[in-house]
Amino acid sequence: KQEVTQIPAALSVPEGENLVLNCSFTDSAIYNLQWFRQDPGKGLTSLLLIQSSQREQTSGRLNASLDKSSGRSTLYIAASQPGDSATYLCAVPGSARQLTFGSGTQLTVLP
Amino acid sequence: DTAVSQTPKYLVTQMGNDKSIKCEQNLGHDTMYWYKQDSKKFLKIMFSYNNKELIINETVPNRFSPKSPDKAHLNLHINSLELGDSAVYFCASSPRDRAGTNEQFFGPGTRLTVL
Repeated sequence: KQEVTQIPAALSVPEGENLVLNCSFTDSAIYNLQWFRQDPGKGLTSLLLIQSSQREQTSGRLNASLDKSSGRSTLYIAASQPGDSATYLCAVPGSARQLTFGSGTQLTVLP
Repeated sequence: DTAVSQTPKYLVTQMGNDKSIKCEQNLGHDTMYWYKQDSKKFLKIMFSYNNKELIINETVPNRFSPKSPDKAHLNLHINSLELGDSAVYFCASSPRDRAGTNEQFFGPGTRLTVL
């Protein structure tokens, strides 16, 4: 059974810092990994989807990497801003494409 | 031009009642899902439907009955509501395209409170 872990559970940084969020999964037989952002009381916004054949995917200040063999993914956020404050979730699909989520990293960027 | 929509956004009801949550997607996707986010913010799959057919039922009590009248809709009906059903329920959809691009898009969520 797939298990997804995210470290750290919470992170607080001053504005302008670069930061890395970590995601690990136990079953490396995945065909993609998706990173989401959730603002308090809101739904999930898809940030990046990285396919199993890719090593990296970039969108603006966000860069996601994937190492299937080691069961790890990282989300790099450059030049963080207070508006980046949210919970970041990673998720991997199962055989029927249902997502298994990590418990999230709650990010606070201080002005 | 909302992609995945859910109604209602908030639902407050008494224990023992029956309620429904509706979900619609206008993305032309063939697969739809219901997820539950509990009080600890952990998201877990409940159901998955592909072209109106049930694919996954993740050990959800049979008080929960999803219904898919067509590919664009997946409604969730809950009978005999219990306190433990209080949670945020998210609907999602994804396309059935080439392997690896199963990007899922989520609705805004329905916050259910059972009193």
